[in-house]
Amino acid sequence: QQQVKQSPQSLIVQKGGIPIINCAYENTAFDYFPWYQQFPGKGPALLIAIRPDVSEKKEGRFTISFNKSAKQFSLHIMDSQPGDSATYFCAAAGTGKLIFGQGTTLQVKP
Amino acid sequence: GAVVSQHPSRVICKSGTSVKIECRSLDFQATTMFWYRQFPKQSLMLMATSNEGSKATYEQGVEKDKFLINHASLTLSTLTVTSAHPEDSSFYICSARSLAGGRETQYFGPGTRLLVL
Repeated sequence: QQQVKQSPQSLIVQKGGIPIINCAYENTAFDYFPWYQQFPGKGPALLIAIRPDVSEKKEGRFTISFNKSAKQFSLHIMDSQPGDSATYFCAAAGTGKLIFGQGTTLQVKP
Repeated sequence: GAVVSQHPSRVICKSGTSVKIECRSLDFQATTMFWYRQFPKQSLMLMATSNEGSKATYEQGVEKDKFLINHASLTLSTLTVTSAHPEDSSFYICSARSLAGGRETQYFGPGTRLLVL
């Protein structure tokens, strides 16, 4: 019940495309859902986060869609660029501890 | 966003020695910090929760006597890998919890690459 399942494991898109990464959770006590971006050899950087009281949040080219009834949330990257190539992790938290998804390696081709 | 630093960024040590890794929140106070380890191409695995002024809480399967955590101030937590062995080689990442604006957010450090020979 503490798991967060993330898909796909890897994703390749052309520049300008809109990659979508999906996550699903079981624990209804989770109330904070962040997305992190990680480059090789670096720590994760917070991209955007959402709480269950809204269904969508946009920050720049990044959008989170949240479906509380389905217990799913997703990250959309608009107008993707080669510099967006990285590993993306979704996470969920309910008592302070973050539970991470398995990660998605995104490659944006020029 | 808030800044969290780690030191050192890379360390190579001999088997049997101890290694200390520092995690600092540079522009905010953090009563709670977290320590993770990450193996290549894998997700982050929470090792322990570090609480200022009290004992750390370890996740199941993590040896508390091997991974010593000290959180002596609101801006510093340390992880000491005692009697390190090659299987302890990994990427260790800390995070600090900010409660600014009534919103809880975790900010991660840049990570420490540990290689035990």
